[in-house]
Amino acid sequence: GDSVTQMEGPVTLSEEAFLTINCTYTATGYPSLFWYVQYPGEGLQLLLKATKADDKGSNKGFEATYRKETTSFHLEKGSVQVSDSAVYFCALSGPNTGNQFYFGTGTSLTVIP
Amino acid sequence: KAGVTQTPRYLIKTRGQQVTLSCSPISGHRSVSWYQQTPGQGLQFLFEYFSETQRNKGNFPGRFSGRQFSNSRSEMNVSTLELGDSALYLCASSLDRGLEETQYFGPGTRLLVL
Repeated sequence: GDSVTQMEGPVTLSEEAFLTINCTYTATGYPSLFWYVQYPGEGLQLLLKATKADDKGSNKGFEATYRKETTSFHLEKGSVQVSDSAVYFCALSGPNTGNQFYFGTGTSLTVIP
Repeated sequence: KAGVTQTPRYLIKTRGQQVTLSCSPISGHRSVSWYQQTPGQGLQFLFEYFSETQRNKGNFPGRFSGRQFSNSRSEMNVSTLELGDSALYLCASSLDRGLEETQYFGPGTRLLVL
């Protein structure tokens, strides 16, 4: 079945460091791919998405490229800030999932000054 | 445009009781999905409603049920609560089925079962 595998956390980085959170997926057909972020005590917020191969989603300095050949959607940011500390979820959805969302387990990021 | 709202935000119940959680989707959104989030299991899909009909269902026991009203508002009910039902329950809404669909989440209802 469809699934998302996400890099285990927690991840701790110093401010201004480079961030990569790995995400790979298994799906039939061509799903849409998403990154959601959850700040402490809050629900999930959409960070970025990509709907077809080679699409790049970007928002707030974060980027991820839909790589069909490697079935990956890795999240990157060039210079993290303390305010980026949160849990990040990779997810997929599409017509072959009945538009049900499948989420990864989440990666906790802590950025220290 | 107002976001997804969930009430109540916090709830404490005891084992054996039942609970009803409410979700109001973004105006114009017709699909509402419910998720259970726990530290051990992560985000698990409960069910999805569209135009008052349940379209998808996850692997949860029958104690978990839901419904959707004609104004797209949704409720979920958990009967005979167990300690393991303690979790953050998240509701998400979306416009309609489609390849570029995005789910928008509410802040969640945190349920503690004692």
